[in-house]
Amino acid sequence: EDQVTQSPEALRLQEGESSSLNCSYTVSGLRGLFWYRQDPGKGPEFLFTLYSAGEEKEKERLKATLTKKESFLHITAPKPEDSATYLCAVQAVGYSTLTFGKGTMLLVSP
Amino acid sequence: NAGVTQTPKFQVLKTGQSMTLQCAQDMNHEYMSWYRQDPGMGLRLIHYSVGAGITDQGEVPNGYNVSRSTTEDFPLRLLSAAPSQTSVYFCASSYSIGAGANVLTFGAGSRLTVL
Repeated sequence: EDQVTQSPEALRLQEGESSSLNCSYTVSGLRGLFWYRQDPGKGPEFLFTLYSAGEEKEKERLKATLTKKESFLHITAPKPEDSATYLCAVQAVGYSTLTFGKGTMLLVSP
Repeated sequence: NAGVTQTPKFQVLKTGQSMTLQCAQDMNHEYMSWYRQDPGMGLRLIHYSVGAGITDQGEVPNGYNVSRSTTEDFPLRLLSAAPSQTSVYFCASSYSIGAGANVLTFGAGSRLTVL
């Protein structure tokens, strides 16, 4: 059974204070690891897909990295508009469904 | 493009009532799915479909029915609502199935309360 564990559950940062969110996973064979952003009252919005260990992807202040057991979402010099819940999900080889973690709620204060 | 459209956005039901949550996408996506999101539980898959006429169960299918008669629509039916089905429901679709990575596009959600 695929499992995804995200930590911390909640994170409070000051504007400009860089940090990382963690996503640990177990899957029989990884087809893809996904990061989504979810704002309150809205549906999740796709950020990144990572396919293999060592891969990195960047978008503005966000950088996602992947190892064989975990992924990190690094947030550099965050701004208040980066406040959201960040979701991690995995898809196993041979399957079309995604398994999601419970998310990390990020609050960035000015 | 409207993307993934869910209706209604809010609904209150009494225990035992039935209703259908509607989901429509205009992106010609083959894959469609329904998730529920509860505090502390994350997103859990209810049912999914890899194409018209094909549906399958996810992690929490009990109490829900689906059908897929067209590529565009994937309604979720609650036959006899229970308070445990109070949740926020998300429909999601994808252009990629099979061997490809399944990048989901989500709707805005439907908040259901069962009294």
